[in-house]
Amino acid sequence: EAGVAQSPRYKIIEKRQSVAFWCNPISGHATLYWYQQILGQGPKLLIQFQNNGVVDDSQLPKDRFSAERLKGVDSTLKIQPAKLEDSAVYLCASSSGQLSTDTQYFGPGTRLTVL
Amino acid sequence: GENVEQHPSTLSVQEGDSAVIKCTYSDSASNYFPWYKQELGKGPQLIIDIRSNVGEKKDQRIAVTLNKTAKHFSLHITETQPEDSAVYFCAASPGGAAGNKLTFGGGTRVLVKP
Repeated sequence: EAGVAQSPRYKIIEKRQSVAFWCNPISGHATLYWYQQILGQGPKLLIQFQNNGVVDDSQLPKDRFSAERLKGVDSTLKIQPAKLEDSAVYLCASSSGQLSTDTQYFGPGTRLTVL
Repeated sequence: GENVEQHPSTLSVQEGDSAVIKCTYSDSASNYFPWYKQELGKGPQLIIDIRSNVGEKKDQRIAVTLNKTAKHFSLHITETQPEDSAVYFCAASPGGAAGNKLTFGGGTRVLVKP
């Protein structure tokens, strides 16, 4: 079975520019997550979708970050405008459901560098 | 919200020795505790998990123990091999209305020296 796909794998931008990341979850997985992983730290949840609805976006900096999952499959995460502190790896994960025991499968991530 | 502390931050062991990583959590409602392994340039991969109604779980060279009273859980790797070198993360999930929202520890970088 194909895993979680993410693109691009790397992105370098200057501060105040905008950037978008794409995620394709495992086929059939209803729940999709975006995490931010700053170098040397554990992943931090930004937003969780169940199908095309938002379950939790309490840690998403909504003044600059946005995410959507319009058709309940692929998702995009956007940052506009980017700040230096947004430099991190952005991980997408998916799970079959939203029970606490549903395993989350992670993609390889997009490494963002903001100069 | 939940807070997960993980120790040590780095761990160097000789091949064949055991490695132990410890985590504590703050929310007594947490009921699911997965461990992830992250290799360079890759996303985290689940290696073992434990639920709150179980005190210990083993899978070949990997074992996890849970003490709900003390709110801590540990990962044990026996007979370490060079391919065990990676960053390991513990996590906790509260379940219930929060679903499977994971809070991760800060990670432990494990180096297995041949």
